[in-house]
Order: sequence, then structure tokens, then C-alpha cells
Amino acid sequence: QVQLQESGPGLVKPSQTLSLTCTVSGGSLSSGSYYWNWIRQPAGKGLEWIGRFYTSGSTDYNPSLKSRVTISVDTSKNQFSLRLNSVTAADTAVYYCARTIPGSREFDSWGQGTLVAVSS
Amino acid sequence: DIQMTQSPSSLSASVGDRVTITCQASQDISNYLNWFQLKPGKAPKLLIYRASNLETGVPSRFSGGGFGTDFIFTITSLQPEDIATYYCQRYDSLPLTFGGGTKVEIK
Repeated sequence: QVQLQESGPGLVKPSQTLSLTCTVSGGSLSSGSYYWNWIRQPAGKGLEWIGRFYTSGSTDYNPSLKSRVTISVDTSKNQFSLRLNSVTAADTAVYYCARTIPGSREFDSWGQGTLVAVSS
Repeated sequence: DIQMTQSPSSLSASVGDRVTITCQASQDISNYLNWFQLKPGKAPKLLIYRASNLETGVPSRFSGGGFGTDFIFTITSLQPEDIATYYCQRYDSLPLTFGGGTKVEIK
């Protein structure tokens, strides 16, 4: 069974770049047909889809964040990453990575999430 | 973007009670709707996919239904381990969006 685990700094200064990594075990990022997603939940608020990449290499982003977001993959490490530029306090949230099986299951497997605070 | 209106935002019920949560889409989304369970510090869990299909390993007390714009999620007999926040989520088109969540507590 696939497992996902988020990692990265828990504190980022305003205007800097938030960088997180999702390590996938029990499955390969370079095989199969899956979407690999980033989702976040600001404290006291609901869930927000950030974006995803497909195993073919294509990416989709939420228009609300598109100008600041990059999702990339390192198949040698079986990891995919999130970069969010020019962060503000509004980007403080628990960040999750999750898998989608196209045509079958959306977000069928998730990581436990990692809290990132934006503060000086 | 298609908006998802979920209600109630919170509820309190007794063990054994039937619990119902609704989710309304601002446009027709066919049956492209999931229900998730979130507990603090744990990986979110997919419970229902395609509006009414029970995910493998999920107890049968959870169920879902609906089509088009109106959807319902039911716990037929609330258990202590069901204390969590539940979210609907649509996936008919991008961007993917979630409902506002329903926090379920034990009375």
C-alpha cells in the first residue's frame, strides 16, 4: 500500500519561499498513471487544493495560487515537491500531499500533513 | 469556480444516533463527489467516492447519495471513533474544491 510523508521547515519568514517535499513509499512516481497533489488547510478553515502533477509530467494549479506555485518531481528519490513564493501569514497552514487514481479514486491516499507557519 | 455549500458546520449527537450531512454544489457536478474524514494529526481518509460508493475497508455505517447538485452523507449509528471533521469534495472539473466541513462531536 502506498504511503506518503510530508517534510520541510515548520517556519518560513514573510516574503520568502515555502518548500516542502512529499516522500512516496510502496509505489513509484515514475510508473503507473497517477496524479500527485498538494492540499492545505489553514488553521480554523477548510481544505484548499493547491495543485498536482501527472506521471506524464504535466501540472495543474489552482488559479488562486498559480502565480506563486511550482510542483516538481525527483523520481530518483521518489519525491515530489511544492514551492510557494512570496508567502504571507495567510499561507500558514497544514500542508498535505495526496494521490489520485484517474477515473477511479480522488485523493485515495494522504500524508499526515505538516504544519508550516509564516512569521518573522 | 463551482462552490460547495456544506451543512451543518458542526453537530453534536449521541452514540448510536443517525447523523446526516448535506453538501450542495453551485452547478451540476453529476456524481463526481467524495466524502473525507479528518482527525487531528492523522492522514485524512477517503470514505465515499463517486457520491455513493463505500471505499474498501470503511465501515458500512457510512453511506452517501445524491446526484447533480444535492448530496447527502450519513452515519447510521454514530460511534465514539467517528468524532472528526467531515468534508465533501467535488472533482468534475478544475480547480478541485471542498465543502466547508462539518465537525461531529459526541453529546
